[in-house]
Amino acid sequence: DIQMTQSPSSLSRSVGDRVTITCRASQPISSNLNWYQQRPGKAPKLLIHAASNLQSGVPSRFSGSGSGTDFTLTISSLQPEDLATYYCQQGYKTPPWTFGQGTKVEIK
Amino acid sequence: EVQLVETGGGLIQPGGSLRLSCAVSGFSASDNFMSWVRQAPGKGLEWVSVIYSGDTTDYADSVKGRFTISRDSSMNTIYLQMNSLRVEDTAVYYCARDIGYWNDQWGQGTLVTVSS
Repeated sequence: DIQMTQSPSSLSRSVGDRVTITCRASQPISSNLNWYQQRPGKAPKLLIHAASNLQSGVPSRFSGSGSGTDFTLTISSLQPEDLATYYCQQGYKTPPWTFGQGTKVEIK
Repeated sequence: EVQLVETGGGLIQPGGSLRLSCAVSGFSASDNFMSWVRQAPGKGLEWVSVIYSGDTTDYADSVKGRFTISRDSSMNTIYLQMNSLRVEDTAVYYCARDIGYWNDQWGQGTLVTVSS
């Protein structure tokens, strides 16, 4: 199975800060990488699919990049409602679709 | 409006069985791939199973041979039959629409607790 490793596991930033979360795959996965946001007590929500495609309705401060094994989720200007845990997920070729362990984003 | 509503969770003893349902509205569950994803308390997300539009299925190794995903087109509902439940199956179970390899619509989840 393909392993996904996110870093950092948690971070604390101020409103307006730029936030970067990285995700590394254990083998090349082309651009088959998605990002989800999970607010406390809620279901996950799709933010970005296929590495860099913003899901409809998601604020433009979120962006994704990367291909192969290294990927990045960027929040250009952190907002209070961005308090959440963020997960990457790979969907390369066949299941199992594996998730990263998550990055918890806190607001200072 | 798109909605996915999971039901059927609860407390069950190890070795027991449970069937989860996911009632879909706003789109056809039989025309889409549909997945189950779970989350153990305080842990991350784990993909469990998918049913493709031709009713072919796939499972995580951790549930293969014990869980069965199915759908009822007339009810627009997805099911997860869970047998031989283990303590480590304790989790919130989410159903989600699967667009190729990403999940764009999710239900609110149903909690399954396996404990004696």
